[in-house]
Amino acid sequence: QKEVEQNSGPLSVPEGAIASLNCTYSDRGSQSFFWYRQYSGKSPELIMFIYSNGDKEDGRFTAQLNKASQYVSLLIRDSQPSDSATYLCAADTGRRALTFGSGTRLQVQP
Amino acid sequence: DAGITQSPRHKVTETGTPVTLRCHQTENHRYMYWYRQDPGHGLRLIHYSYGVKDTDKGEVSDGYSVSRSKTEDFLLTLESATSSQTSVYFCAITDEDRGIYEQYFGPGTRLTVT
Repeated sequence: QKEVEQNSGPLSVPEGAIASLNCTYSDRGSQSFFWYRQYSGKSPELIMFIYSNGDKEDGRFTAQLNKASQYVSLLIRDSQPSDSATYLCAADTGRRALTFGSGTRLQVQP
Repeated sequence: DAGITQSPRHKVTETGTPVTLRCHQTENHRYMYWYRQDPGHGLRLIHYSYGVKDTDKGEVSDGYSVSRSKTEDFLLTLESATSSQTSVYFCAITDEDRGIYEQYFGPGTRLTVT
């Protein structure tokens, strides 16, 4: 069973702080990793993806990948109340399908 | 929104009745997916399609069938709905032209089986 694990949270951070969301995966064959944001009652929306070891930055978001440790993270700088949502981590399965974690709920306190 | 629509958006049905959910896309994507989302389980893949009449099973395919007779439509059928199939169902596509296979989701269908 290929798995992607996330802490369900909630992770609570004050406005303006850095939120750090973590994810581990079991399939060493996975090459690409994705972060989605999902607001309550809405569909998941892609934030960013990463496939190389190291960091990838896009605006206030930074994805980090460590394939040796099978670990993916998402950092959100200058967190805003509008960032409050559930964040889903996903890994490719090699069949152009994704395996998703159960998500981490982030709460940004004003 | 990747040009994906789902119908119906909400449905209440009784145990034992057949139900068909429709996913429609307007951008000619080859890959289409059906997921279900339940509290504590995240998104789980039911079936996916990699072309007209080409489909494959996901991790939770029991009790579901799919069909794809046209590129733009991917149908999910519950032959005899059960209460355990109460869920939110999302359709997704892969924009394969971008080369990294990220998926984009439709708005979802909330299905309640009573």
